[in-house]
Amino acid sequence: GAVVSQHPSRVICKSGTSVKIECRSLDFQATTMFWYRQFPKKSLMLMATSNEGSKATYEQGVEKDKFLINHASLTLSTLTVTSAHPEDSSFYICSAQTVQTSTDTQYFGPGTRLTVL
Amino acid sequence: AQTVTQSQPEMSVQEAETVTLSCTYDTSENNYYLFWYKQPPSRQMILVIRQEAYKQQNATENRFSVNFQKAAKSFSLKISDSQLGDTAMYFCAFISNFGNEKLTFGTGTRLTIIP
Repeated sequence: GAVVSQHPSRVICKSGTSVKIECRSLDFQATTMFWYRQFPKKSLMLMATSNEGSKATYEQGVEKDKFLINHASLTLSTLTVTSAHPEDSSFYICSAQTVQTSTDTQYFGPGTRLTVL
Repeated sequence: AQTVTQSQPEMSVQEAETVTLSCTYDTSENNYYLFWYKQPPSRQMILVIRQEAYKQQNATENRFSVNFQKAAKSFSLKISDSQLGDTAMYFCAFISNFGNEKLTFGTGTRLTIIP
């Protein structure tokens, strides 16, 4: 149980285009989803927290107009990187949390590697 | 603000041996949860073990166990009978129990199991 998927697993795009990454909880309802960014050989950096049906809460320094987050249902959250630039190239990971089991444990997706040319 | 410190950037151990990864944290709260996550080369974050701060008993999951010292704010992970598949980055993480659901991660320890 508690499986989280991400799609796509990797994407390459041209500078200036937008990219959408999907995060799905497959066997549970995710009341809260999180989006992280991970640089090579570094820890995870929280970008934003999203609750189903409400606006995401962004961490300090994260541009909300550049990283659009939508959490329209209890099983799906999306991260859209708008007008992507090479510095946005990174590994993006989502996680999901549910009140059905515990409100403290996050289950992670497999990540999406974004490369902006 | 909470902080999590992992003082061992890299470790290596022979297969079948036991290894202990260190983690210390700083918080003023009394109720919280601690985790060890494993990130193998596939980069999938996998929950290894979870500890509730109000429980004195150390959590165990098969070959994985923790030494939770609340007064010392220490939360080390012991891996017994290490296997090649244990090679990964290990992250210690903290979350409070006061509605702030943000995980605070340590910087990670890269563990290599040597055949």
